[in-house]
Amino acid sequence: DTEVTQTPKHLVMGMTNKKSLKCEQHMGHRAMYWYKQKAKKPPELMFVYSYEKLSINESVPSRFSPECPNSSLLNLHLHALQPEDSALYLCASSTLADFSGANVLTFGAGSRLTVL
Amino acid sequence: RKEVEQDPGPFNVPEGATVAFNCTYSNSASQSFFWYRQDCRKEPKLLMSVYSSGNEDGRFTAQLNRASQYISLLIRDSKLSDSATYLCVVTHTGGFKTIFGAGTRLFVKA
Repeated sequence: DTEVTQTPKHLVMGMTNKKSLKCEQHMGHRAMYWYKQKAKKPPELMFVYSYEKLSINESVPSRFSPECPNSSLLNLHLHALQPEDSALYLCASSTLADFSGANVLTFGAGSRLTVL
Repeated sequence: RKEVEQDPGPFNVPEGATVAFNCTYSNSASQSFFWYRQDCRKEPKLLMSVYSSGNEDGRFTAQLNRASQYISLLIRDSKLSDSATYLCVVTHTGGFKTIFGAGTRLFVKA
């Protein structure tokens, strides 16, 4: 079983809906990430939180809104998405606590999103 | 040009074969290097970190050449269970920006 838990596993939503993806880890990791992965493509970095503060936003459209309520939780709020946003959304965490050293990511199983 | 480039796949090899994957990166700020494995419809999982001195883990050997900005993965005695996509991954100085290569698909046949 993965140590990073994502819910829901599958989500179908309309373009006018508001939904959220959730991610939880209890490994004491202080960095958490959202990646988007389309079929047969590599994961693409969206957001990084370090110590519950947003440290990287890869120019993601504002219809995706991340939130990190505490060191164990990471949410991705979705609103007014487009069909091309359909993808696997992967949450990851890492032990990196400062700006040095290797950065090993532990991924959750992902939330598969379909936008109709 | 993509920041991390890998051999195009797929690689189709028989059981017991040795197979090598190559990867190049373009950003000199890249600090840490990894190979991840991703099975179909599953999340990526760390296979091994890559160090300048080269490192080995059982049948897997990884090499890094910082001067050429080149990373390799060698798999010896391939097993059916090695069939997966292998992702070359680099992390920038500062640690959080982790970039994945497009991946190389490996099929090991009986």
